[in-house]
Amino acid sequence: AQKITQTQPGMFVQEKEAVTLDCTYDTSDPSYGLFWYKQPSSGEMIFLIYQGSYDQQNATEGRYSLNFQKARKSANLVISASQLGDSAMYFCAMRFQGAQKLVFGQGTRLTINP
Amino acid sequence: NAGVTQTPKFQVLKTGQSMTLQCAQDMNHEYMSWYRQDPGMGLRLIHYSVGAGITDQGEVPNGYNVSRSTTEDFPLRLLSAAPSQTSVYFCASSYSKGTAGNTIYFGEGSWLTVV
Repeated sequence: AQKITQTQPGMFVQEKEAVTLDCTYDTSDPSYGLFWYKQPSSGEMIFLIYQGSYDQQNATEGRYSLNFQKARKSANLVISASQLGDSAMYFCAMRFQGAQKLVFGQGTRLTINP
Repeated sequence: NAGVTQTPKFQVLKTGQSMTLQCAQDMNHEYMSWYRQDPGMGLRLIHYSVGAGITDQGEVPNGYNVSRSTTEDFPLRLLSAAPSQTSVYFCASSYSKGTAGNTIYFGEGSWLTVV
């Protein structure tokens, strides 16, 4: 069965520091996609970054990058130069079987301190 | 969240009542789905659709019904509400092919309380 594990329930980081949010996954499908979403206190789901299982390079989107280690089944999110507005819940999710079926981790609550 | 509209945003139901959560998208997406988010947890898939007339069950389908008569709309029906269905519900949509399918759009969520 497909599973996403986020082992950090909460993280506290000083503003302007880089932060890494951990995500490991389990699947036997060779084709899958990995997503990171941000959920601020207002509740909406904001797409951050995507990595396909066949992508050779790690995905990057502005201050966000995905450290994809396929052999370790790891897809950590790296946020460079954190900002106060980065404080939110962050969810790692996996899409499998080529369809829009997402499995989510339990999330990591990130707090950026000034 | 431009393009995926959910209504209502907030709803309080009594146990045993039925209701429909509406979801509409104007991006001509083939894929649409419903998730629920319970406190302190990630989203779990309830039902999904790969196109008009085609639906299938997700991880937690019991107590919910869906249909997809048009590409734009994907309503979620609660047949007989139970307190265990108190949750935040999210509708999502995306294209089915290519890199465009890698962006999944979520609605703003519907907060449902069953008393």
